[in-house]
Amino acid sequence: SQKIEQNSEALNIQEGKTATLTCNYTNYSPAYLQWYRQDPGRGPVFLLLIRENEKEKRKERLKVTFDTTLKQSLFHITASQPADSATYLCALPRGSGNTGKLIFGQGTTLQVKP
Amino acid sequence: EPEVTQTPSHQVTQMGQEVILRCVPISNHLYFYWYRQILGQKVEFLVSFYNNEISEKSEIFDDQFSVERPDGSNFTLKIRSTKLEDSAMYFCASSFPGQGGGSYEQYFGPGTRLTVT
Repeated sequence: SQKIEQNSEALNIQEGKTATLTCNYTNYSPAYLQWYRQDPGRGPVFLLLIRENEKEKRKERLKVTFDTTLKQSLFHITASQPADSATYLCALPRGSGNTGKLIFGQGTTLQVKP
Repeated sequence: EPEVTQTPSHQVTQMGQEVILRCVPISNHLYFYWYRQILGQKVEFLVSFYNNEISEKSEIFDDQFSVERPDGSNFTLKIRSTKLEDSAMYFCASSFPGQGGGSYEQYFGPGTRLTVT
């Protein structure tokens, strides 16, 4: 069966360091992959989308890689700040046609300490 | 900046009662969704809606659930007879067709916390 896995253990890092979060998936070949941020009690907020033919995508301090051979995406936050503390969700499109149905991983909680 | 809004923010209801959760998607978006998140668990897809009809639904979205876009702005989720296990955060989302059609990044509302007692 198809699975999306993110490290369920919280990631604690010091301010200024680079945070790297992992998303692995199995038995699936998505056309793209998305990353969202979720704060406690709030809805997910879209961060980045990377397509299967793109190796890397950047937006300000964020960088995403997508390795379709390894079936893995890495999400990096450089020069991390306490305000980056949140849960980060990986999401893949699923479903017939292009309905936009997203399947989410369980998320990795990032804690950036000052 | 345009945003998706949802009301109410918190709804408490008794088992067996009907609830209607309301959403106002971003105005030029064409795809609409409901997701739910049980406390401590993943965000789960419930249903997608496009061109005034359901385009896909999950196994969770059984006959107790229905969606409607009664006018040009609102998008509602109705649960006919709530169960204890329906207690969750319900998120509405919307998106605009991407390049080549289809939906890509989704914009989520702040959620409605539904508590069934």
